[in-house]
Amino acid sequence: QKEVEQNSGPLSVPEGAIASLNCTYSDRGSQSFFWYRQYSGKSPELIMSIYSNGDKEDGRFTAQLNKASQYVSLLIRDSQPSDSATYLCAVNDYKLSFGAGTTVTVRA
Amino acid sequence: SQTIHQWPATLVQPVGSPLSLECTVEGTSNPNLYWYRQAAGRGLQLLFYSVGIGQISSEVPQNLSASRPQDRQFILSSKKLLLSDSGFYLCAWSSMDKRAFFGQGTRLTVV
Repeated sequence: QKEVEQNSGPLSVPEGAIASLNCTYSDRGSQSFFWYRQYSGKSPELIMSIYSNGDKEDGRFTAQLNKASQYVSLLIRDSQPSDSATYLCAVNDYKLSFGAGTTVTVRA
Repeated sequence: SQTIHQWPATLVQPVGSPLSLECTVEGTSNPNLYWYRQAAGRGLQLLFYSVGIGQISSEVPQNLSASRPQDRQFILSSKKLLLSDSGFYLCAWSSMDKRAFFGQGTRLTVV
């Protein structure tokens, strides 16, 4: 079983809609969870971190963590064409492990 | 503030040649350091990580090696490159809160 798994993409959403990205992790003891955005040809950029159950909001981004279900999600509200990128879920215990990523395309 | 430097940005090397990629971090001490490789259109593959000087953990057996000669310096090496070593190499560091930050990456093409 992979350490971090993301729902398969690609995901296409119209401008202004909500993009929903999901991620599950295998180690029930994991404590630190992150979402990265990666534009084509660029290095990943940290956009959200979450450490406790519940929701965390930052601008148009909301991260949700459910440790009982071993589930992390990212919502992008009012999606913009500039949000078109690959989104990577990550878990950092003693090492930083990534999911395969979900490519999001926002249609104008 | 903390910054991470990774160079070169692009590199074209012949098969069988050696490789040395360097990564340095400024503005923090005792960071965890990571090397990843990303093949075209694929996810991030963790190659090595280090929690301290001289402490290297290898994730994938291959013809690459890593060293950490100083607290904030991480080096990725190969004695003989293979075609399959082509890819986007990324260095990252993380601090006590586990947030990790990446360098600009090195795009390596082995020809």
